[in-house]
Amino acid sequence: AQSVAQPEDQVNVAEGNPLTVKCTYSVSGNPYLFWYVQYPNRGLQFLLKYITGDNLVKGSYGFEAEFNKSQTSFHLKKPSALVSDSALYFCAVRGNYQLIWGAGTKLIIKP
Amino acid sequence: EAQVTQNPRYLITVTGKKLTVTCSQNMNHEYMSWYRQDPGLGLRQIYYSMNVEVTDKGDVPEGYKVSRKEKRNFPLILESPSPNQTSLYFCASRRGGLRLWPQHFGDGTRLSIL
Repeated sequence: AQSVAQPEDQVNVAEGNPLTVKCTYSVSGNPYLFWYVQYPNRGLQFLLKYITGDNLVKGSYGFEAEFNKSQTSFHLKKPSALVSDSALYFCAVRGNYQLIWGAGTKLIIKP
Repeated sequence: EAQVTQNPRYLITVTGKKLTVTCSQNMNHEYMSWYRQDPGLGLRQIYYSMNVEVTDKGDVPEGYKVSRKEKRNFPLILESPSPNQTSLYFCASRRGGLRLWPQHFGDGTRLSIL
C-alpha cells in the first residue's frame, strides 16, 4: 500500500540554523512527491514537488527538498531558518488520482 | 486574485441539523476536492470531482455528500451531522489532466457538531 510517514511531530530549530523536516514514502512505481506548508488559520500552500530529474528540488521561500530513492526519503531543507518559517508542514505522495498525505510536522523556529 | 473561497469559516451546530459548506474557485480548475484535517491524521480526502457532474469517493466519504453542477462550485453537504464530524475542512482545486498541478486550498471551515 502507498503511504507517507513524517516521523517527527515537531521540530525545533534556532533562527539562522539549518532545518530539516523528514519524510519517507512507500509507493509502487515512480514516486511523485510534494511538500505543502500550512500557516495558522490558513489553507495549505504548495512549496515544491519532485516528479523526475535532479534529486535536489528548489521551491518557494528558500526551501528545497532532497529526493533519495535508495532511502525512500524526501526531506525538506532550508539553509537558514527564519522565525516566519514556523508552521505545519505536510509531505504527500501521489496515489491514484489523489494525494496521500503525511500527518504533518510542526516546525518551530526560536529567535 | 486566484483563490478558493469557503463559507462559513466557523460553524457550531447540533447533531442532525443539515448543513452545507460552500466552496468556490475562480481559476477555472477542473479538479476539486474536500478534505478533513484531524490532529495526528493529516489530511484525509472525503470526495473529489474531476469535472462537472463527475464526483467520486475519497477515503472517508461516509456521512457526506457533494455535487458539482457548475465548474466553479463544489459544496459539501452533511445531511445529518454527528459529533464525529467535528473537524477542520478544506476545499482544494487544481488544473485537470495527467500533469501533477499543485492544489490551491481554501482557508478552511472549522465545524463543531454538538
